[in-house]
Amino acid sequence: KAGVTQTPRYLIKTRGQQVTLSCSPISGHRSVSWYQQTPGQGLQFLFEYFSETQRNKGNFPGRFSGRQFSNSRSEMNVSTLELGDSALYLCASRRSSGGVTKNIQYFGAGTRLSVL
Amino acid sequence: AQTVTQSQPEMSVQEAETVTLSCTYDTSESDYYLFWYKQPPSRQMILVIRQEAYKQQNATENRFSVNFQKAAKSFSLKISDSQLGDAAMYFCAYNGAGNMLTFGGGTRLMVKP
Repeated sequence: KAGVTQTPRYLIKTRGQQVTLSCSPISGHRSVSWYQQTPGQGLQFLFEYFSETQRNKGNFPGRFSGRQFSNSRSEMNVSTLELGDSALYLCASRRSSGGVTKNIQYFGAGTRLSVL
Repeated sequence: AQTVTQSQPEMSVQEAETVTLSCTYDTSESDYYLFWYKQPPSRQMILVIRQEAYKQQNATENRFSVNFQKAAKSFSLKISDSQLGDAAMYFCAYNGAGNMLTFGGGTRLMVKP
């Protein structure tokens, strides 16, 4: 079974631009969550999507948005990029129903975003 | 809000020896899950072990085991027979009703040959 796939692996953007990151969950997983990892703030929760609906949102400005498609694939968008948005963005999927593993989140390899 | 604290930014262990990484958390919830994730230089976050709060028995996965003290809100990870491949950042994580993971700051584990 394929794992969580994130594309692209690396991105370089300039301030003011916008960026879209993609995440394909493990087959059969309906929940996708996004996290931001920076040296200063550590790992922080951005949002969770389930069945195309945002279920939870972390404490991030409205420039950060996301969506989920009917095949459970998810995209994350950051508009008007700032230098502080440089980070590793991690996507995680989980089954979310049935069985003892429903609460386990499986992570992708991340997208490294550099804002110049 | 839940918080997770890892008080050891860095730890070092000799190959084949045992090391324990500490984690404490704060929550008012009674039903939750705790996890240890490993992040090697490749940056891929890998699940090491998980513990359901309602279970009194400590989880074990091969060389990895936890000491879960619910009343003390403590969740330490013990790595036995340490191997060079165990060198990585280790993150303790809490998962409560919101289904979002709250992470500790991480512990960098170095393994000396």
